[in-house]
Amino acid sequence: KQEVTQIPAALSVPEGENLVLNCSFTDSAIYNLQWFRQDPGKGLTSLLLIQSSQREQTSGRLNASLDKSSGRSTLYIAASQPGDSATYLCAGEGNAGNMLTFGGGTRLMVKP
Amino acid sequence: GAVVSQHPSRVICKSGTSVKIECRSLDFQATTMFWYRQFPKQSLMLMATSNEGSKATYEQGVEKDKFLINHASLTLSTLTVTSAHPEDSSFYICSAKTNLNTGELFFGEGSRLTVL
Repeated sequence: KQEVTQIPAALSVPEGENLVLNCSFTDSAIYNLQWFRQDPGKGLTSLLLIQSSQREQTSGRLNASLDKSSGRSTLYIAASQPGDSATYLCAGEGNAGNMLTFGGGTRLMVKP
Repeated sequence: GAVVSQHPSRVICKSGTSVKIECRSLDFQATTMFWYRQFPKQSLMLMATSNEGSKATYEQGVEKDKFLINHASLTLSTLTVTSAHPEDSSFYICSAKTNLNTGELFFGEGSRLTVL
């Protein structure tokens, strides 16, 4: 059974810092790896999807990488802003069409 | 990205009543939708996979008779919490894929259920 772990659980940084959020998974037979953002009391917003044949994806100030052999994914946020404050969740999919297994999330606070 | 809509966003009900939550894919057809539950400051736990035109697949430990799922069309899945109790109070979120094999998973806005 796939298990997904996110470190750190919480992170507080000053505005402007570059930061890295970590996600590790136990089963290297991962199909897709997706990063989400969740604001308090809200649903999830998809940030980046790394599909099976890919190693990284970029969107604006966000870059996500996937290393299946080591069972890790990282989300890099450049020049962080207070508006980036949220909980970031990674989720791995074992097989096409299968369910996602979520990590516990990293609660990010970017201070102005 | 694709849009998944949930209704209602918040519902408060008395213990013993039933509550229905709707999940709609607005701009795409979804043969499969997923229902998650999230407790405060915790991650999402998959409750069931909703399949259009067939029975839902429930995760271990989820009561089928308590959480009724109906996926009557390619754009609508409903979750009914029957005879709700205070311990059912939670944040329920649905999701759907634009393409079952390669697509991203898109989530609804979530529905917060409070059972008094």
